[in-house]
Amino acid sequence: HVQLRESGPGLVEPSETLTLTCTLSGGSINDGVSFWSWIRQHPVRGLEWIGYITHGGSTYYSPSLKSRMTISLDTSTNHFSLSLTSVTAADTAVYYCASRGPHGRFDHWGQGTLVNVSS
Amino acid sequence: SYVLTQPPSVSVAPGQTATITCGGDKIGTESVHWYQQKSGQAPVLVVYDDSDRPSGIPERFSGSNFGNTATLTISRVEAGDEADYFCQVWDSRFDDPYVFGPGTKVTVL
Repeated sequence: HVQLRESGPGLVEPSETLTLTCTLSGGSINDGVSFWSWIRQHPVRGLEWIGYITHGGSTYYSPSLKSRMTISLDTSTNHFSLSLTSVTAADTAVYYCASRGPHGRFDHWGQGTLVNVSS
Repeated sequence: SYVLTQPPSVSVAPGQTATITCGGDKIGTESVHWYQQKSGQAPVLVVYDDSDRPSGIPERFSGSNFGNTATLTISRVEAGDEADYFCQVWDSRFDDPYVFGPGTKVTVL
């Protein structure tokens, strides 16, 4: 069955660029159905969708983060990545990768990775 | 953007029924999805499209959606159901189309 796993640094300094990678197993990035998404969860429970990339490479970002975000895809290695520039303490959160299925539901989630923005 | 509201907490005794609401303007016209998040774990989809269950989710979990309120019902509550529950909708009319509710903490007494 589909499994997703995030990887990346747990600590990023303010103003630097955060880069996370999500590796998919048990499925294909090219399934033609899923939108490969990033969601983050701030310390006080709130879940925030931040963007996705389709199997064809089309992207859509949350308006509040659009100017700082890039999501890319590598079909040869079955992974997709998130890059968030100029991070601040407000970007401290648990970051999840997830697959978006029909009607906007998130079928599968990674285990999450905590990113702390601090000097 | 679209706003969803949920009660912060619900308490229920084992074997009883837990009812978790999700309020939104005309939410009955949207497809609502529900996630369970146990402490320290990732969210898990438990109900999608208002009332369907993914494979592996017990029949004790059910959903409904009408008017301005969607509801997740957990029947015959077990200790293992203690978790945060989030509702979520997708509305392509908005620039920020994926909206989550603030979450409801279900405590099993």
